[in-house]
Amino acid sequence: GAGVSQSPSNKVTEKGKDVELRCDPISGHTALYWYRQSLGQGLEFLIYFQGNSAPDKSGLPSDRFSAERTGGSVSTLTIQRTQQEDSAVYLCASSLAAGGAADTQYFGPGTRLTVL
Amino acid sequence: SQQGEEDPQALSIQEGENATMNCSYKTSINNLQWYRQNSGRGLVHLILIRSNEREKHSGRLRVTLDTSKKSSSLLITASRAADTASYFCATGGGSNYKLTFGKGTLLTVNP
Repeated sequence: GAGVSQSPSNKVTEKGKDVELRCDPISGHTALYWYRQSLGQGLEFLIYFQGNSAPDKSGLPSDRFSAERTGGSVSTLTIQRTQQEDSAVYLCASSLAAGGAADTQYFGPGTRLTVL
Repeated sequence: SQQGEEDPQALSIQEGENATMNCSYKTSINNLQWYRQNSGRGLVHLILIRSNEREKHSGRLRVTLDTSKKSSSLLITASRAADTASYFCATGGGSNYKLTFGKGTLLTVNP
């Protein structure tokens, strides 16, 4: 079946602009995760959704970052007033559930964000 | 902060040889997962080993877990040029749902 998809695959923006990154999880997966991968910081957890609610937003680096999930499916990560340090690959993952035997996380191809 | 730490950071071998990568972690875990990443894009899940398991096999992959030493190893046997990628261990799962990744091992398999 279809895996996790993300769009756009690449995004170049100017400093100060807002960007929206989209994630379509595997159908039927209730848990969805956003991670960020940058040269200096490696792979970092950003936020986790169970259904439409986000019990853990602890990884969001600042209040310029927000995310939502609707219908228990698609999620959007929004970065407002982008800064150059936001440049990174943003990875989305989903799992059948969070916890227990069904918690293998499957990743999408990522969105490479470049802030000029 | 990084929970898992892989070593070596980089490994270069000839096709047909075996590749061993190690991962150490700091806190108690529910499971440990290994992922592969090509060209800095999506992560491909390779194998998951639970904290009550000691060894697991999948094709040419063999993973071991030693919870007393808080370490895991990934062995790729009979390597191929297509195995060239970065390999990451990640800890988490269960109530600790968010994965914490190490910095990765860059494996180069020379034809």
